[in-house]
Amino acid sequence: GESVGLHLPTLSVQEGDNSIINCAYSNSASDYFIWYKQESGKGPQFIIDIRSNMDKRQGQRVTVLLNKTVKHLSLQIAATQPGDSAVYFCAEIPYGGATNKLIFGTGTLLAVQP
Amino acid sequence: ETGVTQTPRHLVMGMTNKKSLKCEQHLGHNAMYWYKQSAKKPLELMFVYNFKEQTENNSVPSRFSPECPNSSHLFLHLHTLQPEDSALYLCASSQQEGGSYGYTFGSGTRLTVV
Repeated sequence: GESVGLHLPTLSVQEGDNSIINCAYSNSASDYFIWYKQESGKGPQFIIDIRSNMDKRQGQRVTVLLNKTVKHLSLQIAATQPGDSAVYFCAEIPYGGATNKLIFGTGTLLAVQP
Repeated sequence: ETGVTQTPRHLVMGMTNKKSLKCEQHLGHNAMYWYKQSAKKPLELMFVYNFKEQTENNSVPSRFSPECPNSSHLFLHLHTLQPEDSALYLCASSQQEGGSYGYTFGSGTRLTVV
């Protein structure tokens, strides 16, 4: 029979509020992390990346925080807009692994309420 | 337009049909990938090509057959598929040199097997 898919976590926020999307990774040796955004009907798009020698990196309206102690990655979106509604994926490359083998998380659906 | 073009965007095929998905990248990247995206599941890596050579086959059934004639083009040949193969098939490319490991994805082919 058909296998049961994973339930996609959903974050619902009001337009103008800040959003925080979280991701837990499993490999303590992971060296490089990326956040992707996937809108309906499109492929994932690169948002921001961070290396393991950094704790924080900022882009335009987005900030990525890395806590290696607890193996946690977060994406903060300031002043969330309706166009930010999408599924957000974190991805990692394990240190010493194939440099082109990204491991993706399940994803979080961000729903922005007007 | 992300620089990675996939055709067709939508495909409906019977279980006895043979079809091919096409991917073309205009970014000068040297690695290309096929991913399968099913509802509420993480992206599943299927195949990896580096400099036209297949470097990973992630236990994909033989009814999926990849082909990479050059660094810019990637195909996925399909035959005797099952309904559970219905999914979004995403192509991606990346450049391994220069310390940039992010993928650029195409918009995907939405495949329905009937």
